[in-house]
Amino acid sequence: GESVGLHLPTLSVQEGDNSIINCAYSNSASDYFIWYKQESGKGPQFIIDIRSNMDKRQGQRVTVLLNKTVKHLSLQIAATQPGDSAVYFCAENSDNFNKFYFGSGTKLNVKP
Amino acid sequence: GAVVSQHPSRVICKSGTSVKIECRSLDFQATTMFWYRQFPKQSLMLMATSNEGSKATYEQGVEKDKFLINHASLTLSTLTVTSAHPEDSSFYICSAKTTGNQPQHFGDGTRLSIL
Repeated sequence: GESVGLHLPTLSVQEGDNSIINCAYSNSASDYFIWYKQESGKGPQFIIDIRSNMDKRQGQRVTVLLNKTVKHLSLQIAATQPGDSAVYFCAENSDNFNKFYFGSGTKLNVKP
Repeated sequence: GAVVSQHPSRVICKSGTSVKIECRSLDFQATTMFWYRQFPKQSLMLMATSNEGSKATYEQGVEKDKFLINHASLTLSTLTVTSAHPEDSSFYICSAKTTGNQPQHFGDGTRLSIL
């Protein structure tokens, strides 16, 4: 089902460091996961996705890791930049791709 | 590619007014569209899922007579907040996807403020 956060946890990192953002998902039957980036006042922007038959997928400066055993997803951002500052959400697919539920989100602050 | 346009971006209106929000997929056919609501510093809450040409499926606790959804074509879905009240003030976001194992793509949201 849907998990909604009451407040956003914050991760502060120094520019140039690597960032790791974590997400626990709720439905063991979910088989498709997406990470989104949301800047203030805007809609979420697709970053990277992963299907349940994989445990790792890499994009440009980003890596997503999936651990189905503990229902955990992580997003790693290499060489974090000020432009990466935003709120990051994971989303899990349910019901044959007809529904996507969002995690509670993490606010990433990148200090110059 | 995969651009979703949402309009208007901001609405301020009096209590009791009905407000219509449009969501358009500009460069792909959106067989499924989703409507979310987001309160400050919170996650996106799925309100309803609509497939082109059929009735929307509402999440538990979302009043279908309050939030009317129409998905009449493969590029347009509308959400009408009927007789809006201050507690309906929120950030409403739509998303759209094609068939199959694909991500959804989001509009930039509508900030609704009811006075």
